[in-house]
Amino acid sequence: AQKVTQAQTEISVVEKEDVTLDCVYETRDTTYYLFWYKQPPSGELVFLIRRNSFDEQNEISGRYSWNFQKSTSSFNFTITASQVVDSAVYFCALSDLSGSARQLTFGSGTQLTVLP
Amino acid sequence: NAGVTQTPKFQVLKTGQSMTLQCAQDMNHNSMYWYRQDPGMGLRLIYYSASEGTTDKGEVPNGYNVSRLNKREFSLRLESAAPSQTSVYFCASSAGRLEGTEAFFGQGTRLTVV
Repeated sequence: AQKVTQAQTEISVVEKEDVTLDCVYETRDTTYYLFWYKQPPSGELVFLIRRNSFDEQNEISGRYSWNFQKSTSSFNFTITASQVVDSAVYFCALSDLSGSARQLTFGSGTQLTVLP
Repeated sequence: NAGVTQTPKFQVLKTGQSMTLQCAQDMNHNSMYWYRQDPGMGLRLIYYSASEGTTDKGEVPNGYNVSRLNKREFSLRLESAAPSQTSVYFCASSAGRLEGTEAFFGQGTRLTVV
């Protein structure tokens, strides 16, 4: 069965610091997708990125970057020069082809607090 | 752009009462999902519907039933609410199994069972 582990329950940084959120996953499938979602204090879930298992290139989007390493089953998320607006719960999720639909398995989330 | 719409946003129930959470999407998606979110546990799948006319159990289906009314709508019913069902419920939809797209989530329903 698939599993996603986010070992960091809470992280607190001062504004402008860089911060990395860890995500480790388990799956038996060779084809799968990894996601990051952001949940700000308002409660909605905001999609950040999707990565398929055949694409190990790292990705950068503004202050956000993602490091996908199949060898260690990790998909880590780095925020550069953090801002107060980055304060949120961040979820890593895995989607594989088990079952008849693409199911998302979520990690337990990391609460990031960016202090001014 | 409405996306995924859930109603109600908040609800308080007494133990033993029943209610139905409604969800509708306007993106012509095939697959729809119900998740619950509890502190420290992330989101857990309750039920999903791969396509109109089909439903399947997820990780935590006990105490719930679902209906895929049509392609747009997927409802979640609590027949006899229990305090353990106090949670935030999210409905989501995605294009389907092979399209490789992300799931889109509703705003959530905060349910309290007293």
